[in-house]
Amino acid sequence: QVQLVQSGAEVKKPGASVKLSCKASGYTFTSYYMHWVRQAPGQGLEWMGLISPSGDSTVYAQTLQGRVTMTRDTSTSTDYMEMSSLRSDDTAVYYCARDNSVSADGTMGWWFDPWGQGTLVTVAS
Amino acid sequence: SSELTQDPAVSVALGQTVRITCQGDSLRSYYASWYQQKPGQAPILVMYAKNSRPSGIPDRFSGSRSGNTASLTITGAQAEDEADYYCNSRDNSANHWVFGGGTKLTVL
Repeated sequence: QVQLVQSGAEVKKPGASVKLSCKASGYTFTSYYMHWVRQAPGQGLEWMGLISPSGDSTVYAQTLQGRVTMTRDTSTSTDYMEMSSLRSDDTAVYYCARDNSVSADGTMGWWFDPWGQGTLVTVAS
Repeated sequence: SSELTQDPAVSVALGQTVRITCQGDSLRSYYASWYQQKPGQAPILVMYAKNSRPSGIPDRFSGSRSGNTASLTITGAQAEDEADYYCNSRDNSANHWVFGGGTKLTVL
């Protein structure tokens, strides 16, 4: 079945970097974009960015530009999300989610499915 | 960038019908998708495109769009539908995506 399995929880100090992984299985990895989404404790979902099927193109949320890097290893069907200069407000659960899209009645729609199980990143001194 | 606006909280009596709405300019151009999230769990997709349900999602869930508003309707709400619901859409002005703030659904 289509599945995304993420790496384990991380604890980092302010100013450090973290690199999370998301391993895909059950589908053709190089045919789909991947999104990253995060959720701070008690807060809503925040879209972080996406990486292209080949891994040669990325788009990042403006609020994270310069601190986040998404990469892809097609040989292992694994996506990575690295965030630098961590702050306490980066404490969150980080999800990867596969992109899907369709055009219906001349209107485009995108959706995220499946999602990884999430990785908790705690930033604390 | 575009924003998507949701009511923070909605309640419904068991077995009754509830509509959860999502407003934003981008919804005039693109379909929304909807996600259900229960405490401590990852979100799951419950509705996408014009009115499509993933396999395993009960047919009491339906979706619609009118103007700048997308709606998720639960007809005959069940106790297990109590959760947070988020809408999502592509941004109008950039190759970005945006989530609504989420609606906490309480089934009474």
